[in-house]
Amino acid sequence: SAVISQKPSRDICQRGTSLTIQCQVDSQVTMMFWYRQQPGQSLTLIATANQGSEATYESGFVIDKFPISRPNLTFSTLTVSNMSPEDSSIYLCSAGTGPPRTDTQYFGPGTRLTVL
Amino acid sequence: AQSVAQPEDQVNVAEGNPLTVKCTYSVSGNPYLFWYVQYPNRGLQFLLKYITGDNLVKGSYGFEAEFNKSQTSFHLKKPSALVSDSALYFCAVSPTGFQKLVFGTGTRLLVSP
Repeated sequence: SAVISQKPSRDICQRGTSLTIQCQVDSQVTMMFWYRQQPGQSLTLIATANQGSEATYESGFVIDKFPISRPNLTFSTLTVSNMSPEDSSIYLCSAGTGPPRTDTQYFGPGTRLTVL
Repeated sequence: AQSVAQPEDQVNVAEGNPLTVKCTYSVSGNPYLFWYVQYPNRGLQFLLKYITGDNLVKGSYGFEAEFNKSQTSFHLKKPSALVSDSALYFCAVSPTGFQKLVFGTGTRLLVSP
């Protein structure tokens, strides 16, 4: 399994500002993902963070709003740009080490974001 | 669309009794199914998964799940519930052709003493 940490664990931000969330894995992984969990809701995939290339975004999510970096096989960042109260959510990073589809994804503890 | 459904928002059970949390799926091709648990203010923890083989899958903390292809179900079970099992449980599927997880809406399990 992979142990995943995220920073910050929580933050309160003002409307119009940006926040960058860091995700660190304790071992090299093939896949890294970013999910959003809105209050009282399930998890929705934002994007797949690809090492060495641009992230792959899901429908409804765009790079200008959620730029993602993945400089190596253990680290990724997600930026929430030009925030509004609707961006208040828990943002979770996950990672997998094995073959696609059958691989187990392990999750970080999440970043709880509140936008005022 | 490939998806999972969790028909119950909440399941209540008394400590010591068996518990079942339901999940049905809609997937083209081979279904790869997962269960995760989320405790308050914590991330998701992996419980178990079905990829192939035995229909009864055993996982962490005494949980197991039964894959039923004819009923397209993957219900989570535990023979004897603990108060500490109270949490939010998510069923998820890995859709054909994609390296991602699609989650159900979650079921809150409340185990009373």
